[in-house]
Amino acid sequence: DTGVSQDPRHKITKRGQNVTFRCDPISEHNRLYWYRQTLGQGPEFLTYFQNEAQLEKSRLLSDRFSAERPKGSFSTLEIQRTEQGDSAMYLCASSSRDATEAFFGQGTRLTVV
Amino acid sequence: AQSVTQLGSHVSVSEGALVLLRCNYSSSVPPYLFWYVQYPNQGLQLLLKYTSAATLVKGINGFEAEFKKSETSFHLTKPSAHMSDAAEYFCAVSRRNQFYFGTGTSLTVIP
Repeated sequence: DTGVSQDPRHKITKRGQNVTFRCDPISEHNRLYWYRQTLGQGPEFLTYFQNEAQLEKSRLLSDRFSAERPKGSFSTLEIQRTEQGDSAMYLCASSSRDATEAFFGQGTRLTVV
Repeated sequence: AQSVTQLGSHVSVSEGALVLLRCNYSSSVPPYLFWYVQYPNQGLQLLLKYTSAATLVKGINGFEAEFKKSETSFHLTKPSAHMSDAAEYFCAVSRRNQFYFGTGTSLTVIP
């Protein structure tokens, strides 16, 4: 296992378009997290899955954002009708059941023009 | 609420000098604590973690951190800075399956 994988690494999109990001966690990890990181800030929690169940969502996750983990393996994060304020690094992380540490992917950098 | 505070958004040290990055946490019970490093346009890499075992935790690349309950601190240190240590460093706390991050400290190493 090579760790948490995110695709794409970079995405440039026009305002108003929809974008979808994918995250493949470490295979034996049942917990998966999405974070957003803007310049000069730490990662901010967006949402968290345990297996296929989405257990928690941040208030940062507006109705334009949706995340899925249909089979409890990979996850997708979709942003509809993108806005310039959505420009950020989107980080995925996974952890084992005891959540003693989170392993991060390389992130997807979104630029909305 | 769980949170961590990192004092100093930018720290500069000379190559070979001591590195000290500060982190204080707010919690009524000892949490799990972490230090992560992030290089430009990369994800976060775990340096070390505290999970209620030894209070002095050794991590990768010569870093270590000491959990001090009386000071609610978990400062990161390295005896001798190397140019490759220049990066962004994040302190984080874990509780109830969530990880909460500080705002980060950017470390510059001066040759």
